[in-house]
Amino acid sequence: EDQVTQSPEALRLQEGESSSLNCSYTVSGLRGLFWYRQDPGKGPEFLFTLYSAGEEKEKERLKATLTKKESFLHITAPKPEDSATYLCAVQVRTSGSRLTFGEGTQLTVNP
Amino acid sequence: ETGVTQSPTHLIKTRGQQVTLRCSSQSGHNTVSWYQQALGQGPQFIFQYYREEENGRGNFPPRFSGLQFPNYSSELNVNALELDDSALYLCASSFFGGRRDGYTFGSGTRLTVV
Repeated sequence: EDQVTQSPEALRLQEGESSSLNCSYTVSGLRGLFWYRQDPGKGPEFLFTLYSAGEEKEKERLKATLTKKESFLHITAPKPEDSATYLCAVQVRTSGSRLTFGEGTQLTVNP
Repeated sequence: ETGVTQSPTHLIKTRGQQVTLRCSSQSGHNTVSWYQQALGQGPQFIFQYYREEENGRGNFPPRFSGLQFPNYSSELNVNALELDDSALYLCASSFFGGRRDGYTFGSGTRLTVV
């Protein structure tokens, strides 16, 4: 069974304090790993897709990396507006377009 | 480029009733998926529609059903509502056969079953 585990469940940072979120996965044939941001009461907002180990993508203060077992979302010098829940999801070759999500990491950035 | 729109935004139903949720896909997308997100959890895949047919289903009972229309809009129907069906229901559209990116989610419908 495909599994996605995110850690920590919650993270509280001071503005400017860099950190990383982890997404570990156990799947049979990874097709893609997705990162989404979700604000309270809203739908997930697409951030990145990673397809193969060693791949990295950046967007503003966020950088996503991928290994064969896990992905990291690095947040550099975060701002209060980065506060949100960050979701990791995998797409597996044998499951069509289905995304299997982790439980998310709730990030709070204090000014 | 329009995004994914869902209606209604909020809904309160009584246990045992039936509900229909609606979704308009993003322009250019031909596949729609539905997810259920309970409070504090990640979204769970319900099913996906492509060319007006169900094309994959998660671990949800048959009382969860759907439709996709020729204009790629979609409906999620839930019969015999249970208290545990209370959740945020998310619609996501994508283009099957093209880029692997581009799963665009709507803002969801918050369903409360009392």
